[in-house]
Amino acid sequence: SQQGEEDPQALSIQEGENATMNCSYKTSINNLQWYRQNSGRGLVHLILIRSNEREKHSGRLRVTLDTSKKSSSLLITASRAADTASYFCATDSLIQGAQKLVFGQGTRLTINP
Amino acid sequence: NAGVMQNPRHLVRRRGQEARLRCSPMKGHSHVYWYRQLPEEGLKFMVYLQKENIIDESGMPKERFSAEFPKEGPSILRIQQVVRGDSAAYFCASSPVSGSDTQYFGPGTRLTVL
Repeated sequence: SQQGEEDPQALSIQEGENATMNCSYKTSINNLQWYRQNSGRGLVHLILIRSNEREKHSGRLRVTLDTSKKSSSLLITASRAADTASYFCATDSLIQGAQKLVFGQGTRLTINP
Repeated sequence: NAGVMQNPRHLVRRRGQEARLRCSPMKGHSHVYWYRQLPEEGLKFMVYLQKENIIDESGMPKERFSAEFPKEGPSILRIQQVVRGDSAAYFCASSPVSGSDTQYFGPGTRLTVL
């Protein structure tokens, strides 16, 4: 079964606005991670939130996790043009094996100057 | 401390040829993972290896694909008799012996099959 489905699939906002991306998953997890991928490049790890945590901050990033709803959100505040990228959530599933990340399809974020 | 290194960054093969993709994990990391990304999609897990052992290959196609992580040298993902559907970006990630949950990704190898 697929984990980590993001929505929206694409998001376009003005520079300075906040961007919120959501992720849903289906099975129990150890943790959930968010990655960023610039076009044609590799993945950059942004933040990891464990299943017993509800919220985590890192700079302009804020991640929430609701295990009862099996969902997470990534908020980027005061967006910049350099934030333009695809954002993926990935879950480390308890059922499917602790060492395997399962990625969603991603949200393509465009920040307009 | 250099990051995860992959080479080549771009690889072009004709149908029927072999593709060999290399991954050198971060220093001190003994866990390697391979993922495949088709255009406009997320990454899909292929295989998880530790030194000289394949731990989980549940995402690997049963035929033509193989992976190894020898005692010395990089991890190799090998695709025999490539077909057009193998065209994708192949990413390698590594994590340390101590079991960090975070996987650190390389820049990827973009395989194009003509």
